[in-house]
Amino acid sequence: DGGITQSPKYLFRKEGQNVTLSCEQNLNHDAMYWYRQDPGQGLRLIYYSQIVNDFQKGDIAEGYSVSREKKESFPLTVTSAQKNPTAFYLCASMGAGGWTGELFFGEGSRLTVL
Amino acid sequence: DQQVKQNSPSLSVQEGRISILNCDYTNSMFDYFLWYKKYPAEGPTFLISISSIKDKNEDGRFTVFLNKSAKHLSLHIVPSQPGDSAVYFCAASVAVKAAGNKLTFGGGTRVLVKP
Repeated sequence: DGGITQSPKYLFRKEGQNVTLSCEQNLNHDAMYWYRQDPGQGLRLIYYSQIVNDFQKGDIAEGYSVSREKKESFPLTVTSAQKNPTAFYLCASMGAGGWTGELFFGEGSRLTVL
Repeated sequence: DQQVKQNSPSLSVQEGRISILNCDYTNSMFDYFLWYKKYPAEGPTFLISISSIKDKNEDGRFTVFLNKSAKHLSLHIVPSQPGDSAVYFCAASVAVKAAGNKLTFGGGTRVLVKP
């Protein structure tokens, strides 16, 4: 089945450690996105990539890094510089065939910093 | 500065009645609007959308209304069913590729449909 796979689903990290969240899609979508969800604040855009080897900062990119070496993959690294990393992280993709606006989301990764 | 706001964090409605969810935006460049539904510990799923050239779009029990002059949109669910209990997010975008195809989300409204 086509879709977006995020892993791990749950992750615990000690303060000061970097952690990488995986996002893989087999939808052949060009654009991929990382959002963060905090209670009451909706979804905020961290980074996005419209094409391989290119990505742009979203609204809250500080303390995060990404790469887009393959069309299918868009991993997110939460660095020790991210001051409040505990959150629910959502990866999404969007199709290439014209503008639809419709994002397809993965099931999310919940990161907890101990 | 929140460009998309959902001022009601929660809504409780009786099964069979209408649910009305509201969303306001401030960026006049937004010209495409979407609603997503989210269950706990899952990713959001697309529900319905509307382009700024329309003022209404209907899909089964779901209807979205857009009032451009008021920068306001609403989602009507009729009749509401217990399976509709979820968090609903309003999202907006500028529908050109140069803008990055980014969606800006509201804070969400949690809907509880009581049997």
